[in-house]
Amino acid sequence: EAGVVQSPRYKIIEKKQPVAFWCNPISGHNTLYWYLQNLGQGPELLIRYENEEAVDDSQLPKDRFSAERLKGVDSTLKIQPAELGDSAVYLCASSLALDNEQFFGPGTRLTVL
Amino acid sequence: GEDVEQSLFLSVREGDSSVINCTYTDSSSTYLYWYKQEPGAGLQLLTYIFSNMDMKQDQRLTVLLNKKDKHLSLRIADTQTGDSAIYFCAVDQTGANNLFFGTGTRLTVIP
Repeated sequence: EAGVVQSPRYKIIEKKQPVAFWCNPISGHNTLYWYLQNLGQGPELLIRYENEEAVDDSQLPKDRFSAERLKGVDSTLKIQPAELGDSAVYLCASSLALDNEQFFGPGTRLTVL
Repeated sequence: GEDVEQSLFLSVREGDSSVINCTYTDSSSTYLYWYKQEPGAGLQLLTYIFSNMDMKQDQRLTVLLNKKDKHLSLRIADTQTGDSAIYFCAVDQTGANNLFFGTGTRLTVIP
């Protein structure tokens, strides 16, 4: 069974440019999470989806970050415009339901120059 | 939120036991987890313990929980070079799979 798939794996952009990350969760997993992992830190939750509904987006900086999960499967996370401080690894995870084990993807490493 | 603290580095010799420690602040935490992250990979769940337990053993892994001191530890017996990775402690404050992660402990196993 395929795990959580993320693309791209690496992205380098200049500040003020837009960027988007894509996540395909494990088939059948209803809950999807986006985390931000700064260098030398643990992941921090940005947003959590139950099917297509965002049930917790309290940590998402809504002035520049947006996310969507159309049809309750794949999800995209967008930053517009990117800032130098956004350089980090963006992790996607999914779980069968809200109270089940979270499975993580390999992440997208973003570098903003 | 929750503050979860870990020491940053640990080095052990192959074959020895490793003990990775974690402290947290919220006594209402329900589930407590240990994740492993290898270079360029996502986090892999190793084991977890429910807050009404003191100890859980799973093959080479032993988790100890001291609720009074809000202290969690992961012991890896017979540590191998393949165990070299970053280990994250995570606590679920609400029981709704809302995880707060520590900073991670980088374990280096010396052959």
